[in-house]
Amino acid sequence: GAGVSQSPSNKVTEKGKDVELRCDPISGHTALYWYRQSLGQGLEFLIYFQGNSAPDKSGLPSDRFSAERTGGSVSTLTIQRTQQEDSAVYLCASRGSSGSSYEQYFGPGTRLTVT
Amino acid sequence: QQQVKQSPQSLIVQKGGISIINCAYENTAFDYFPWYQQFPGKGPALLIAIRPDVSEKKEGRFTISFNKSAKQFSLHIMDSQPGDSATYFCAASMNTGFQKLVFGTGTRLLVSP
Repeated sequence: GAGVSQSPSNKVTEKGKDVELRCDPISGHTALYWYRQSLGQGLEFLIYFQGNSAPDKSGLPSDRFSAERTGGSVSTLTIQRTQQEDSAVYLCASRGSSGSSYEQYFGPGTRLTVT
Repeated sequence: QQQVKQSPQSLIVQKGGISIINCAYENTAFDYFPWYQQFPGKGPALLIAIRPDVSEKKEGRFTISFNKSAKQFSLHIMDSQPGDSATYFCAASMNTGFQKLVFGTGTRLLVSP
């Protein structure tokens, strides 16, 4: 595809349930990032992938959060035992490895609501 | 040291006017400073970016001014249009930090017709 895609676009879940959020990066982009945008807040970094490995997980807020990436492409962010404070928009971004290699391109996000 | 401070929080500009948003950083290791534009319900879109080896970069109506000694950078939107009404985020990253972006808190811009 032409851009980063994310699914679902919206997710409503009950407190205590597990959720999986998916990101499809731009084809050929080796770097992938997850960010979280809480209501009225800026964007905060969660995790970074280079290929299938995650050398920087420093932004994950708790051990309920995990992520994986397979085939150097699709990534899944999993939140276990969701809490109301997990409600936010989860954004994925990807970056190429040549040319303007600093540029990150964002997907439309997944809006997560925990009731 | 990782923070990027952004101001103002909100801004109202008349059509045709100049919108100015300011950001300041502490970490001198930052070497890439992008601005993102976000419309409601959409992801942030890269607008323009600058590296610290230049003091200004212009793309169309959008200009970044960069002051390395003051550790400040700003976005200027010339001839502001109602379609520019959006939230703008400044950010910074460094090559040695896996280039993860540290964002400002955003500025909600409203351009009145």
